[in-house]
This record gives sequence, C-alpha cells and structure tokens, in this order.
Amino acid sequence: DQQVKQNSPSLSVQEGRISILNCDYTNSMFDYFLWYKKYPAEGPTFLISISSIKDKNEDGRFTVFLNKSAKHLSLHIVPSQPGDSAVYFCAASANRDDKIIFGKGTRLHILP
Amino acid sequence: NAGVTQTPKFQVLKTGQSMTLQCAQDMNHNSMYWYRQDPGMGLRLIYYSASEGTTDKGEVPNGYNVSRLNKREFSLRLESAAPSQTSVYFCASSPVRAATREQYFGPGTRLTVT
Repeated sequence: DQQVKQNSPSLSVQEGRISILNCDYTNSMFDYFLWYKKYPAEGPTFLISISSIKDKNEDGRFTVFLNKSAKHLSLHIVPSQPGDSAVYFCAASANRDDKIIFGKGTRLHILP
Repeated sequence: NAGVTQTPKFQVLKTGQSMTLQCAQDMNHNSMYWYRQDPGMGLRLIYYSASEGTTDKGEVPNGYNVSRLNKREFSLRLESAAPSQTSVYFCASSPVRAATREQYFGPGTRLTVT
C-alpha cells in the first residue's frame, strides 16, 4: 500500500506560468515532508521541505503547502522556467526516523 | 568535496552472475542508504545503515546483501543476478537525526541483467 502518492505521472506547463505538483499521504505519523528534483542520468537533489508544524514554506520560486487535515501537500513553482523540466518526487518521514518514503514521481515539462 | 560517489556507472550482467556496487561519501554522515528506481515505481529503499556496523532491511531487500565497511563506505552485493534486478541504483547519505531529514544522493549505477 502506497503511503505517499503522486497521482499525476506527468504535467505540462507553459514557461512563465505556475506549476503545481500534488502529493497525498496516508500515514498520519509523517511529520516531515520533502520534495526532490531529478534530471535524467543524475541522482535526485533536495529541493524544499516542510515540517508538519507548518502549513507553508517558501524558498525563492518554490513554495510547499501542507494541508494536514486532508493529508495533502503541493509544490508551487512560480514562474516556471525551462530548467524546471524534471521529475519531482514527493517524500515523507515519520518521527525523526532517518528513513524517508518516496512517491512515484511526476514528470514536469515546461513548454516554450 | 565529492559528496556521494558510486562505481560503476554502468554494468551489464548475465543471469546468475554476481557483483558489488560501491558507494562512498566524504561528508562524515552517519546514515547511508541504497535505493532502486524503476519506471513508474519511484525510489524504493533496499537497505540502509544508521551507523557504522549496523544495517537494516528496507522495502525491497530480497536478492541483495550490504556491507557498511566503515563510516564512508556502504556496498551493495547481488549474489546471483536476476533480470528483475535490472534497475538504476542510487546510494544516499544523511547526517544522523538531521533536522530536515535531507538525504544526499550519488549519480546512480545503471544495471542491466540479461
């Protein structure tokens, strides 16, 4: 049973517009959430994270929103740029556990 | 500062052959991990090591063994490779109890088993 779900395998967004990537989770013990970005033939790189005590965290063009009651988080990229084309993984961790659980990923295409 | 390094980058094995994937990190991290990535499956944890001398199974450990040789190195061994083990393998490391839980990944090893 998937604990972290990314239901959109792919997403296409016009350059300059907002990209919104969604993620749902089932385990109420998760207390930290992360987003990773992955280019082809490279390892994933950390993008942004949020603790369960917050509902928003912003870093430049990237903002993550957390809705604990809905067990849902989203990553907003504004404005979208060509270099944002990549696969984005949502991940979650429980109770200071060093392990993190990854979703299946969403491939984002930024269109010129 | 190389971060997390993995060797080899590519490998082709025949069914039944064995091999060891090597991983090293120079960030003095306590925890290290091995993942596999398959199309449409995301990243799945194979084994992890919370500290030197300890290893634990992850989500998909069958067919694999690991060795935490020292604080820097964590190897993954396939004793008898099977086509189902064709995948991209990533090693990662993290500081123990990191506030952000962030893990740092290597560039990956692409393994094909024929």
